[in-house]
Amino acid sequence: DGGITQSPKYLFRKEGQNVTLSCEQNLNHDAMYWYRQDPGQGLRLIYYSQIVNDFQKGDIAEGYSVSREKKESFPLTVTSAQKNPTAFYLCASAGGRTDTQYFGPGTRLTVL
Amino acid sequence: AQSVTQPDIHITVSEGASLELRCNYSYGATPYLFWYVQSPGQGLQLLLKYFSGDTLVQGIKGFEAEFKRSQSSFNLRKPSVHWSDAAEYFCGAAGQAGTALIFGKGTTLSVSS
Repeated sequence: DGGITQSPKYLFRKEGQNVTLSCEQNLNHDAMYWYRQDPGQGLRLIYYSQIVNDFQKGDIAEGYSVSREKKESFPLTVTSAQKNPTAFYLCASAGGRTDTQYFGPGTRLTVL
Repeated sequence: AQSVTQPDIHITVSEGASLELRCNYSYGATPYLFWYVQSPGQGLQLLLKYFSGDTLVQGIKGFEAEFKRSQSSFNLRKPSVHWSDAAEYFCGAAGQAGTALIFGKGTTLSVSS
């Protein structure tokens, strides 16, 4: 069954802790993306990667880090430097002829 | 600066009535355009996309959208709304295929019986 998986669905973190969100895809897509969604704000780009071992900052990269060691995986670490990390995080991938982005189910992170 | 605007934050439509959700973009050239739908707590599902060619695009679930270059718009339409269409709808644009999307802030659709 092809698609994008994100885990966990819900994540709770204490202030001052780093936490890593998983994103895996088996669509053989080259590009992967992380977006943050806040109520009434739409989606904002955190980081994206168009090829393995390369990634670029998006509009709101401060306090986040990523790695792209494998084509299938693009984990996002929310560090203690992120001042307001409570949000819904969405991962997407794109590839093929039209490079349309397809989204995972999301991870809701809550900082306690 | 590049931007996507969805002027309506919330729209309520009666079941069976027609629907139009507005989307305007500001880009240097014609971008690639998308409409996605999101149910509460879920990811985004692609409804339709416009890359080039025919300006009337058909999508899934009976939705269509019309690209109007002169108005910098890409409005989403459905002739008859069903209660299951209640969700949040996002318009997105990209400068070229595969690049990151810029999204509007979304329009929440409620369907009344």
